[in-house]
Amino acid sequence: DAGVIQSPRHEVTEMGQEVTLRCKPISGHDYLFWYRQTMMRGLELLIYFNNNVPIDDSGMPEDRFSAKMPNASFSTLKIQPSEPRDSAVYFCASSNGGAGRDTQYFGPGTRLTVL
Amino acid sequence: QKEVEQDPGPLSVPEGAIVSLNCTYSNSAFQYFMWYRQYSRKGPELLMYTYSSGNKEDGRFTAQVDKSSKYISLFIRDSQPSDSATYLCATLRGAQKLVFGQGTRLTINP
Repeated sequence: DAGVIQSPRHEVTEMGQEVTLRCKPISGHDYLFWYRQTMMRGLELLIYFNNNVPIDDSGMPEDRFSAKMPNASFSTLKIQPSEPRDSAVYFCASSNGGAGRDTQYFGPGTRLTVL
Repeated sequence: QKEVEQDPGPLSVPEGAIVSLNCTYSNSAFQYFMWYRQYSRKGPELLMYTYSSGNKEDGRFTAQVDKSSKYISLFIRDSQPSDSATYLCATLRGAQKLVFGQGTRLTINP
């Protein structure tokens, strides 16, 4: 199994530009999570989906952030317009099961730098 | 107050030492507690999870939860250089939402 796949691995962009991060979850997993990790705030949940439907987006910091899951094998996290404070590592994770204790498998992350 | 508090370290110990990593949490309703390990430039991976109070052992690793004091611990016996990583404690808020501590950066020196 290839695990959770994220692209790009690194992204450098300028303030005001649109950024799109991509995620392919593990096949058969019905939950998908987007996290952000910074030195200051640690690892924070932004949004999660169940069977492609957004369940809880209370962690999304602002309207500049949006996430979609058009099908079971693909999700995007978009930031428009981007700001320097969005610089962080963004992780996608997936899990299989209805209980939160089921293991969440994390991707390698996308390191975003906004200049 | 953060829901889960963890000393970010860094913590540096010699190979073979016993390592103790700790977290505190604020909500007595939390029941599931996890430890994730994150190597540099990688995503976190689940190491262990425990339910409610008590101990759980897996090889050289022991996870301990004390609900009376809202204290979570991870012990690593016979520590190895390959254990060098950031360790994140986490708890489950609601059905699916993991809440993480800041993570403790651990280095095991050969």
